Amino acid sequence: AQSVSQHNHHVILSEAASLELGCNYSYGGTVNLFWYVQYPGQHLQLLLKYFSGDPLVKGIKGFEAEFIKSKFSFNLRKPSVQWSDTAEYFCAVTVWNNYGQNFVFGPGTRLSVLP
Amino acid sequence: GAVVSQHPSWVICKSGTSVKIECRSLDFQATTMFWYRQFPKQSLMLMATSNEGSKATYEQGVEKDKFLINHASLTLSTLTVTSAHPEDSSFYICSARSSPLAGGLDEQFFGPGTRLTVL
Repeated sequence: AQSVSQHNHHVILSEAASLELGCNYSYGGTVNLFWYVQYPGQHLQLLLKYFSGDPLVKGIKGFEAEFIKSKFSFNLRKPSVQWSDTAEYFCAVTVWNNYGQNFVFGPGTRLSVLP
Repeated sequence: GAVVSQHPSWVICKSGTSVKIECRSLDFQATTMFWYRQFPKQSLMLMATSNEGSKATYEQGVEKDKFLINHASLTLSTLTVTSAHPEDSSFYICSARSSPLAGGLDEQFFGPGTRLTVL
C-alpha cells in the first residue's frame, strides 16, 4: 500500500532560521506530490504541488520543494522562517483509481517558530 | 482557487443521535468528493470516496452503516454520522475534485472542516 512518511513530528526554530521538512513516499508508479499547511484553527491550504517538469517547485509564502525521484523524496524548504509560519505541514501523494486522484497524507510535522 | 464549504463548522450532539454534515463546491462541479477524518494532532485519514449518483466507496475499517454518504448533486455531498458516540468525536474534512470533463482542472480542493463533539 502507498504510504507517506515525514521525518520530524515537531520542529522548533527561531525566526530567520532555515527550514527543511522531509517527506518520503512509497509508490512505484507516477505520483503527484503536494505540501499542505494547516494554520491553527484553519483548514488545509495548498503550499505547492509537483505534477511534472522542473523538480524544483516554488510555492506560496517563499516555500519551495524538490522532487528527487531516485530517493522517493519531496522535501519542503524555506530559507528564512517567520513566526507566522507556525503551523502543521502535511506532505501528500496522489494515487490514481477509477475515480481519479486520491490523496494519501503523511502524519504531519508541527512547526513552531519562536519570535 | 475553487471554494469548498462545509456546514456546520462545529456541532455538539448527545450520544445516540445522528448528525448530518454538508459539503458543497461553491463555484465548480465536483463529480467526486472525498471525506476525511482528522484526529487531534494527527493526519487526515480517508474515510470514503463519494461519486455523484452512485454509492460511496468506503475505506477498509470504516463502517458504511454508521457513516452514511449521499452525493445527490454535482455540488453537494452529505455525511451522516448515525447513532453517534463519544469516540466519533473528531474533525471531519471533505474535499471536492473538479473534473476536466466539467470544465475543471482535475484538482482537489478542501473544505474548512467540521468539528463534531459527541457528549
